[in-house]
Amino acid sequence: SQQGEEDPQALSIQEGENATMNCSYKTSINNLQWYRQNSGRGLVHLILIRSNEREKHSGRLRVTLDTSKKSSSLLITASRAADTASYFCATGGQGTGANNLFFGTGTRLTVIP
Amino acid sequence: KAGVTQTPRYLIKTRGQQVTLSCSPISGHRSVSWYQQTPGQGLQFLFEYFSETQRNKGNFPGRFSGRQFSNSRSEMNVSTLELGDSALYLCATREGTDTQYFGPGTRLTVL
Repeated sequence: SQQGEEDPQALSIQEGENATMNCSYKTSINNLQWYRQNSGRGLVHLILIRSNEREKHSGRLRVTLDTSKKSSSLLITASRAADTASYFCATGGQGTGANNLFFGTGTRLTVIP
Repeated sequence: KAGVTQTPRYLIKTRGQQVTLSCSPISGHRSVSWYQQTPGQGLQFLFEYFSETQRNKGNFPGRFSGRQFSNSRSEMNVSTLELGDSALYLCATREGTDTQYFGPGTRLTVL
């Protein structure tokens, strides 16, 4: 399976702290994306990092990518209660399947006010 | 632009029945993909449609099918429902970049 894994499965922090979640994947990729999901609702796209990029920022989000280790990390700085959600990394398939997203198992983040 | 819309949002069916779910993409988006999310299997790719043609298909039985119309709206159908088909079904649309935009999902419960 191409499905990745995320670590930790669950994370609980105090508001204002930073949250770091990690993602490992199995195959070569063109890009890796991070999504957020609030309580069984649709997924919200957060950030996309291409295979030739090592780090990318968007607001309070920082994503790193290490293609040699087939891993990525998402850092949320100065967390807020509204950041409470599940976070998923997703990679594309190969060739004609490049648009199929394979999702990790997700990290459930709880930010305590 | 309006976001991706999915109808219905909630659905309850019994085993053996069939169901049709609908997805309307963001204006201008021609690619529509469907995903199934369950607690046990997580998020899994079902299929992708582009210009009314199925372009890719995930590892699901033939009971799962879909189609896309000329206005890019897509439907997916599940026949002979099983208890294990209870899931959140998500569609995602894409214009041509790598980013896929997801709808709110349809929660299907099979009794």
